[in-house]
Amino acid sequence: TQLLEQSPQFLSIQEGENLTVYCNSSSVFSSLQWYRQEPGEGPVLLVTVVTGGEVKKLKRLTFQFGDARKDSSLHITAAQPGDTGLYLCAGAETISGNTPLVFGKGTRLSVIA
Amino acid sequence: DSGVTQTPKHLITATGQRVTLRCSPRSGDLSVYWYQQSLDQGLQFLIQYYNGEERAKGNILERFSAQQFPDLHSELNLSSLELGDSALYFCASSVAGQFQETQYFGPGTRLLVL
Repeated sequence: TQLLEQSPQFLSIQEGENLTVYCNSSSVFSSLQWYRQEPGEGPVLLVTVVTGGEVKKLKRLTFQFGDARKDSSLHITAAQPGDTGLYLCAGAETISGNTPLVFGKGTRLSVIA
Repeated sequence: DSGVTQTPKHLITATGQRVTLRCSPRSGDLSVYWYQQSLDQGLQFLIQYYNGEERAKGNILERFSAQQFPDLHSELNLSSLELGDSALYFCASSVAGQFQETQYFGPGTRLLVL
């Protein structure tokens, strides 16, 4: 079973600060997804990256897929309290779409006003 | 609101009991996925159905079973419950049943086994 390690596990920062969270594996993934989960709700897909080295931006969030497709990062600029939540990465082993996603355990982010 | 509904929202039961969790997918979605989320294991895929048929199986215990009905709603049955089954159970749905397409998650059912 492929594993996705996310770091840090917990992060508490002040509003306006920048942060980066990481998702690492020793295995290659055909694509990687990032989700945000707020308390009492299910995960919501933020982005899917499929090409090694790919960078995608979603407002203040920047997602990068490693060149070797083994790792990914999420950078948040000028964090706001609304960014608070559990950030999950999930990898797909094959491009066929028939292999279940493997999820990391998440980074729990708290942005303090 | 993802469009996926799950009932009940909370469930408290005793060890050895059986419970049924219900999920209604988004309108138009043919595939339903069940996940278990616990603090130590994270989000784990249990089972997937597509248009009434089982398509993929993950870390689902033999005590657990699921089905998808002709109206596409799904039920997850958990029996002989143990303390360790306490977790959040999520249902997700997607259009074509491909894991890499967008999965829309419901709000979850929080199960507490005492």
